[in-house]
Amino acid sequence: QQQVKQSPQSLIVQKGGISIINCAYENTAFDYFPWYQQFPGKGPALLIAIRPDVSEKKEGRFTISFNKSAKQFSLHIMDSQPGDSATYFCAASKNTGFQKLVFGTGTRLLVSP
Amino acid sequence: NAGVTQTPKFQVLKTGQSMTLQCAQDMNHNSMYWYRQDPGMGLRLIYYSASEGTTDKGEVPNGYNVSRLNKREFSLRLESAAPSQTSVYFCASGRANTEAFFGQGTRLTVV
Repeated sequence: QQQVKQSPQSLIVQKGGISIINCAYENTAFDYFPWYQQFPGKGPALLIAIRPDVSEKKEGRFTISFNKSAKQFSLHIMDSQPGDSATYFCAASKNTGFQKLVFGTGTRLLVSP
Repeated sequence: NAGVTQTPKFQVLKTGQSMTLQCAQDMNHNSMYWYRQDPGMGLRLIYYSASEGTTDKGEVPNGYNVSRLNKREFSLRLESAAPSQTSVYFCASGRANTEAFFGQGTRLTVV
């Protein structure tokens, strides 16, 4: 049972374009929604995260949009750069006092020069 | 600043062999986790330790055991390796309801 569904599986975007990755979740108890970025041969690293009390969070070129009623959240990468080429994972967890993340299946992003 | 350190980085095992993956963190985090990453399946939680002295099963615990040796160290043991356990294994640590920090991973092949 996939509690967090992520799409698309892969994405090719031209340099300077907008990359959009979508996730949907089922468990309404989730209250923390991070995005992780992973480069080949490396472990995932936190990119940006949001909690359900806000509908949008922006950090530099990266924005999370959150729709609580639809149980969906998305990552927007503005002015995409070749250095953004990586695999992106959405995740979710509920506040149980520790971080038990449920991950999406990942999106492989390629930004062409 | 080491963060989360995993050893070994690569390992090849024969079916039926056993091994222990080591993980240590230097960030004084209470919680530690073991995930496996397989193509098209994201990261799946194998076991976690919410605090020193406690461990609990995650989504895919079968075939694995863990030990929280102290606050810093959390090991994952494969008692009798199977080809289905070929994967990349990640250890992570974190504080309550905040960012989880991941190690560099261990790429395990079982032949």
